[in-house]
Amino acid sequence: EDKVVQSPLSLVVHEGDTVTLNCSYEVTNFRSLLWYKQEKKAPTFLFMLTSSGIEKKSGRLSSILDKKELFSILNITATQTGDSAVYLCAVARNYGQNFVFGPGTRLSVLP
Amino acid sequence: SAVISQKPSRDICQRGTSLTIQCQVDSQVTMMFWYRQQPGQSLTLIATANQGSEATYESGFVIDKFPISRPNLTFSTLTVSNMSPEDSSIYLCSVGVGGQGYEQYFGPGTRLTVT
Repeated sequence: EDKVVQSPLSLVVHEGDTVTLNCSYEVTNFRSLLWYKQEKKAPTFLFMLTSSGIEKKSGRLSSILDKKELFSILNITATQTGDSAVYLCAVARNYGQNFVFGPGTRLSVLP
Repeated sequence: SAVISQKPSRDICQRGTSLTIQCQVDSQVTMMFWYRQQPGQSLTLIATANQGSEATYESGFVIDKFPISRPNLTFSTLTVSNMSPEDSSIYLCSVGVGGQGYEQYFGPGTRLTVT
């Protein structure tokens, strides 16, 4: 059965800390891995990764995919209280259908 | 990206009734998806709705319970039928964009409470 696992499930840090969120997967017909940030209801798209070893960056966030070891990490440097959210990892199978979501990592950044 | 709106944003419904959730996109998209997120859980795909064809339901979800319409490339509805408290959830629509629909953007969600 296809699955996406995230760790840790919950994390509490202080402003300025750097965090690394992990996502591993066992999915048939892998197409891409996506990271989302969910603060209230709607997840907000962060990154889509399709190739191994190519880091994607957006401000203080970066992510990389290892297709051999079947995992991805999401790094957040110099965390801010606004980074507090649930971070979801999802894997897309075949043509944009059947996204499998992980359970999410709940990040709390304390002032 | 795409701008997606959903109506209603929230509702409280009685057991045994039905609710139809609307999803409107600001551009034409081929692929639309409906998800459910139960309290404290991650997102679970209910069905994929492509214009001009029947919706494709995931295991554990059936058309009689969650009928979906997709009349055009910018609009879809999901109906939650004969509701029970277990249907209390956030319901999200999303659209697939990009050359192969890899990126998905989500609507603001509908928070449903069934009493």
